[in-house]
Amino acid sequence: AQKVTQAQTEISVVEKEDVTLDCVYETRDTTYYLFWYKQPPSGELVFLIRRNSFDEQNEISGRYSWNFQKSTSSFNFTITASQVVDSAVYFCALSEPAYSGAGSYQLTFGKGTKLSVIP
Amino acid sequence: DAGVTQSPTHLIKTRGQQVTLRCSPKSGHDTVSWYQQALGQGPQFIFQYYEEEERQRGNFPDRFSGHQFPNYSSELNVNALLLGDSALYLCASSLALSNEQFFGPGTRLTVL
Repeated sequence: AQKVTQAQTEISVVEKEDVTLDCVYETRDTTYYLFWYKQPPSGELVFLIRRNSFDEQNEISGRYSWNFQKSTSSFNFTITASQVVDSAVYFCALSEPAYSGAGSYQLTFGKGTKLSVIP
Repeated sequence: DAGVTQSPTHLIKTRGQQVTLRCSPKSGHDTVSWYQQALGQGPQFIFQYYEEEERQRGNFPDRFSGHQFPNYSSELNVNALLLGDSALYLCASSLALSNEQFFGPGTRLTVL
């Protein structure tokens, strides 16, 4: 069965500090996808990134970067020079192909890490 | 282009009652998934509808049922509500066989 662990429940940083959110996953499949979502207080999940299991290249998007290491089953997320607007709950998620016929993938989420950026 | 919409925004029910939540997918999407997010937890997959049929189901009791209409919109029904059903219910839409899901704003259900 799939499992996603986000060991950090809450993190507080001072504005402009860098912060890394950890994500460790378990899956028996060789083909899978990893995601990060942001959930602000409004509740809507905002998609940040998707990475497939065959692409271990790290990615940078502005102040965001992601480090995917298959050897340690980790997909960590770093925010550089954090800002107050980054305060939210961040979820790591895993999905495997839907083998039970047509349809889309289902996501397995971690419990989330609440990030507070203090001005 | 409207994104995923859900109604109502908030709902208060009492134990034993039944509730229906609604979701309209993003334009062009044909697959709808439902997730339950309890307070302080990550979303948990309830089930997924495609071509008006339930295609996948998570570990939820039969009290949770759904429906998908020809226009791809969907309903989530919960019977015999329990206090533990209080949660944010999220709907996500996608194209069949796609792993990119777009989430709606959710319906916050409170069971008293």
